[in-house]
Amino acid sequence: GDSVTQMEGPVTLSEEAFLTINCTYTATGYPSLFWYVQYPGEGLQLLLKATKADDKGSNKGFEATYRKETTSFHLEKGSVQVSDSAVYFCALRGNTPLVFGKGTRLSVIA
Amino acid sequence: DAGVIQSPRHEVTEMGQEVTLRCKPISGHNSLFWYRQTMMRGLELLIYFNNNVPIDDSGMPEDRFSAKMPNASFSTLKIQPSEPRDSAVYFCASSVGTGKDTQYFGPGTRLTVL
Repeated sequence: GDSVTQMEGPVTLSEEAFLTINCTYTATGYPSLFWYVQYPGEGLQLLLKATKADDKGSNKGFEATYRKETTSFHLEKGSVQVSDSAVYFCALRGNTPLVFGKGTRLSVIA
Repeated sequence: DAGVIQSPRHEVTEMGQEVTLRCKPISGHNSLFWYRQTMMRGLELLIYFNNNVPIDDSGMPEDRFSAKMPNASFSTLKIQPSEPRDSAVYFCASSVGTGKDTQYFGPGTRLTVL
């Protein structure tokens, strides 16, 4: 069945550092890909998405490109802030509900 | 626009008691999902509905769990009797359809069973 594998955390970075969180997937067909973010004590918020190969999703300085050839959807940000500290979930959706990765906890220190 | 609404936000109960969690999806969304989040198991899909009809309940852990969607604007997840291992955060989400549409999540209900 469909699955998502993302790098395990926690990831600790200094403010203004470059962020990459790796995500790869296994799916039949052509799923939509998502990154969700969960801030402490809150629910999941959609961060960005891409619906077809080579699409780039972007929001709040975060970007991810749908790479069909490598079945990847890595999350990047050029300069992280303390306010980016959260848990990030990669997810895919084919013709079934979302399938999530296990989440990567990011801590950004000043 | 109002997002997905869940109530209560926090629930503390004793083992053996009945617990009912409530969800109001985004207006116009036809699909509704219930998830459970724990440290050990991460995010698990429990059940989802399309047009108020349960489509897949294979994630419901036991017969103690039941979910209903009596109309397009309301769903409940009930645990009877509750057990300490049911302690988790329960999320409701909705989407326009069951295809590749974006799912929008509610703030969750944090359940503690003593």
